[in-house]
Amino acid sequence: DTTVKQNPRYKLARVGKPVNLICSQTMNHDTMYWYQKKPNQAPKLLLFYYDKILNREADTFEKFQSSRPNNSFCSLYIGSAGLEYSAMYLCASSRDVAYYAEQFFGPGTRLTVL
Amino acid sequence: GDSVTQTEGPVTVSESESLIINCTYSATSIAYPNLFWYVRYPGEGLQLLLKVITAGQKGSSRGFEATYNKETTSFHLQKASVQESDSAVYYCALGNTGNYKYVFGAGTRLKVIA
Repeated sequence: DTTVKQNPRYKLARVGKPVNLICSQTMNHDTMYWYQKKPNQAPKLLLFYYDKILNREADTFEKFQSSRPNNSFCSLYIGSAGLEYSAMYLCASSRDVAYYAEQFFGPGTRLTVL
Repeated sequence: GDSVTQTEGPVTVSESESLIINCTYSATSIAYPNLFWYVRYPGEGLQLLLKVITAGQKGSSRGFEATYNKETTSFHLQKASVQESDSAVYYCALGNTGNYKYVFGAGTRLKVIA
């Protein structure tokens, strides 16, 4: 099974409220990623876990948190949602963090912040 | 930083016609990045279409092909005869050997009409 699952598929949040998105994979992949995708823009890497080590991008460091309680699950947490967080959030996993590794993507969670 | 520029969509092509989606890249920190094409069919996650990690070589899959041209820093996607089932969004991506990350293009929506 090469499926990456994301929950929920759609999320409505209020400005200032927290948001928690969930991703899971059963491929025993070492690395899990979170991307933000806005219309007509490229997917933007927010952070990734290599095993238990979290790497966050410098320009989104303070905006997003994540946890990986076990190999299969990874969450993306927004402490206080703003309008600018409205986007599609894509989770992906790969066997390792190498630049050549194929990434397997979930269908995405569409977050709308009102 | 690294960047990927690809044909702006939507692109509409008639069934059995040929297709080319342009992709050019800029890799500031490395000479020879790895190059990928991903595709997202409606309702599904992004999935790898093809990849090439050696300059000068060609990758192919499902009738699509792309050649890694380091002189022109390009990785154009081509297909000789498209089908309606090829309707999807296509993303060109660069894998940076220095920082282990992907950089995606903004995607090209392809619509194939009968």
